[in-house]
Amino acid sequence: SQQGEEDPQALSIQEGENATMNCSYKTSINNLQWYRQNSGRGLVHLILIRSNEREKHSGRLRVTLDTSKKSSSLLITASRAADTASYFCATDPNNNDMRFGAGTRLTVKP
Amino acid sequence: DTAVSQTPKYLVTQMGNDKSIKCEQNLGHDTMYWYKQDSKKFLKIMFSYNNKELIINETVPNRFSPKSPDKAHLNLHINSLELGDSAVYFCASSLGGLQFFGPGTRLTVL
Repeated sequence: SQQGEEDPQALSIQEGENATMNCSYKTSINNLQWYRQNSGRGLVHLILIRSNEREKHSGRLRVTLDTSKKSSSLLITASRAADTASYFCATDPNNNDMRFGAGTRLTVKP
Repeated sequence: DTAVSQTPKYLVTQMGNDKSIKCEQNLGHDTMYWYKQDSKKFLKIMFSYNNKELIINETVPNRFSPKSPDKAHLNLHINSLELGDSAVYFCASSLGGLQFFGPGTRLTVL
């Protein structure tokens, strides 16, 4: 069954703006991950945040996790046209059992 | 240098046929997966194998049969293909919870 649900489904911004995507999940987790998928490609891992962490940074990416609300957000700062892709959150309620949402389609206009 | 590879990249076939998709990973990972991504981009886990043993089998029709000849390979065989099987199928392998995806196989059933 689906675990993560991303919001919004689609997001369109101008280059240089920040993009924020949200993810909600249903059960307790060990960690939450964000992946990126370029059109016609496989998913690429971006960042992992553990259940005992609240915030994590990686370059222009900032991820937050609120386990009390069962939600996470991915912030991409100073967006670039090359950031155009779909972004998925994934959770692992059980080991080796990743659950993905339907993704947020981000379009960054040059 | 390819970490997770799949063949073929595209597969077009008639309803009722039997087809296979091959997956190989050269990362030395113990766990491999098959995912199905439908036209709405929803990514759903189908199977998970750990050291050649099936550990997850979601509610997938038994027309789908994974085969793992060794730790580096997880092939997907599909019998009696149906129109609804049209999707992109991704193979993945994992280490420490991070998943590495193949490029996908776009299956079109006519």
